[in-house]
Amino acid sequence: NAGVTQTPKFQVLKTGQSMTLQCAQDMNHNSMYWYRQDPGMGLRLIYYSASEGTTDKGEVPNGYNVSRLNKREFSLRLESAAPSQTSVYFCASSEPAGENIQYFGAGTRLSVL
Amino acid sequence: GENVEQHPSTLSVQEGDSAVIKCTYSDSASNYFPWYKQELGKRPQLIIDIRSNVGEKKDQRIAVTLNKTAKHFSLHITETQPEDSAVYFCAATQDTGRRALTFGSGTRLQVQP
Repeated sequence: NAGVTQTPKFQVLKTGQSMTLQCAQDMNHNSMYWYRQDPGMGLRLIYYSASEGTTDKGEVPNGYNVSRLNKREFSLRLESAAPSQTSVYFCASSEPAGENIQYFGAGTRLSVL
Repeated sequence: GENVEQHPSTLSVQEGDSAVIKCTYSDSASNYFPWYKQELGKRPQLIIDIRSNVGEKKDQRIAVTLNKTAKHFSLHITETQPEDSAVYFCAATQDTGRRALTFGSGTRLQVQP
């Protein structure tokens, strides 16, 4: 039982490049989330998906797109990376019908040069 | 939307002493308040949570208290140990709607041996 798995763990991009961060959970959770964490700040919500087939914007969605491919997978795409997107990205999942505890992946450390 | 303030930003205690971290929230509809511990380079891990139908919850050396009227909640760690050193985040959310967490900015706890 792996929980929430994120790939890659580290990535360096040049300004303007694109990439997709992958997230998968094996806990049969309905809800999934993408957060970013910047130094000295708490995690901020980028996008979330309440259930398969639905996505919605969070606090800081600009410059990102998401896809809820199926119940297990929720990807985050940067179409044209900017230095301001240098951050650590965490994916999380929860089951709203249950205790609704959020479980986090190990994170992706992204640097945009 | 919800806003969570967390204090202090850093806290240094001697091993064996108690540590208290405080958070306030703005949205009176919030009813779920988890606390996460994050070690350097690791994912946030849930250590304790409280729902608005109780005022206090305890788990061994850690406890959380909630004052709904004042809209604040606190984390108490007794008999601190060096392995308690980490960054602690409070968060708030509702048990309905998107259920995404709004995080405080974090407290770096250093336990001196």
